[in-house]
Amino acid sequence: QITLKESGPTLVKPTQTLTLTCSFSGFSLSTSGVGVGWIRQPPGKALEWLALIYWDDDKRYISSLKNRLTITKDTSKNQVVLTMTNMDPVDTATYYCAHRIHYGSGSYYDYWGQGTLVTVSS
Amino acid sequence: QSALTQPASVSGSPGQSITISCTGTSSDVGGYNYVSWFQHHPGKAPKFIIYDVSNRPSGVSNRFSGSKSGNTASLSISGLQAEDEADYFCSSYTSIIPHVVFGGGTKLTVL
Repeated sequence: QITLKESGPTLVKPTQTLTLTCSFSGFSLSTSGVGVGWIRQPPGKALEWLALIYWDDDKRYISSLKNRLTITKDTSKNQVVLTMTNMDPVDTATYYCAHRIHYGSGSYYDYWGQGTLVTVSS
Repeated sequence: QSALTQPASVSGSPGQSITISCTGTSSDVGGYNYVSWFQHHPGKAPKFIIYDVSNRPSGVSNRFSGSKSGNTASLSISGLQAEDEADYFCSSYTSIIPHVVFGGGTKLTVL
């Protein structure tokens, strides 16, 4: 059974760096084809994909935030960490991590964490 | 990257059927058969219920079905039950980096 859980601060101040940890079980991030991504949803808005790390350490970032994001993995701990620098109130959102795998004809985020709400405010 | 367009809300009575639309463009929904749907009860993890437009993962009720016509994908739920009350969002592959786009979500109310 695959589970993921996000953890990190619920409140950060503008200009601070946000560090979120995704702890997972039921799969290994050293297995070929597997990835873990981060997706966020600002209040009242659509989901927005942020970053993805693959089993082979290949990393992808949304271009608009690429300079602020870093995604890393610790395979031995079954964790993926996302850092976002220079936080702004517009970054207030629920942040999700999700398992990505080839499914059927495509690749999908098939298992998600419950999300963690991060508020950016002074 | 623009989000896929979904109605903000839909409703139906127990036993009825409803359909939720997800409209994109020829660069995403219309161009590829890589549409997925999720059921999301607030505070819980989103649940993957449809992939490749119309396929259900193992364990998902056959009351959920997906389809696509042109740039619009649809999720249908038959025999509505109280536990179906949730938010539903769609996702599609897109030719535009970052290669994934999501809908804004639709709140289903079971009357």
